[in-house]
Amino acid sequence: AQSVAQPEDQVNVAEGNPLTVKCTYSVSGNPYLFWYVQYPNRGLQFLLKYITGDNLVKGSYGFEAEFNKSQTSFHLKKPSALVSDSALYFCAVRGEIGNAGNMLTFGGGTRLMVKP
Amino acid sequence: DGGITQSPKYLFRKEGQNVTLSCEQNLNHDAMYWYRQDPGQGLRLIYYSQIVNDFQKGDIAEGYSVSREKKESFPLTVTSAQKNPTAFYLCASSLGTSGSLPDTQYFGPGTRLTVL
Repeated sequence: AQSVAQPEDQVNVAEGNPLTVKCTYSVSGNPYLFWYVQYPNRGLQFLLKYITGDNLVKGSYGFEAEFNKSQTSFHLKKPSALVSDSALYFCAVRGEIGNAGNMLTFGGGTRLMVKP
Repeated sequence: DGGITQSPKYLFRKEGQNVTLSCEQNLNHDAMYWYRQDPGQGLRLIYYSQIVNDFQKGDIAEGYSVSREKKESFPLTVTSAQKNPTAFYLCASSLGTSGSLPDTQYFGPGTRLTVL
């Protein structure tokens, strides 16, 4: 079975400071990893994904994520946070093996609060 | 959210009633999904469909039903058998390309269902 953990329910950061939202995973075979963002009462917006290749993936709105196979992590990062980045962030994983469809498993979400 | 519409945005249901949530996409995607979102639990997969006239149960299908008569549409019915239906429901779609690599899921704006 595949699983995702987002160990922090909330992350607080001051505007202009770097931010990190943590994600660890467990899958069979190679992982395929995704980050989504959700604003209040809205659907999820795709930020970035790791399929293969470079461990550092760049995505929308200045976000990036680093895939670390040995630590089974895929942390989301941004060099300088904006107040408008405040939202709920979800990490998702799909394993290479034993997954008949395109089924993603989502983490519980991390609320990012960026203060002016 | 562009390309995937969900209606209504808010829905109120009396106990014992069936209700149907609409999901339409104009992205020419083959695959469509329904998720349920509860606070602190992330997203859980209810049903998914990889092609017209075919669908499979997800992790929490009990008390729900779907149909996929058209490529663009994937309505979800919440039946009276669903004991705790109050939640935020999200529809998603993806290209559904064949092969082992995952394609990105794109989400609609969601429907908030409340049981009175």
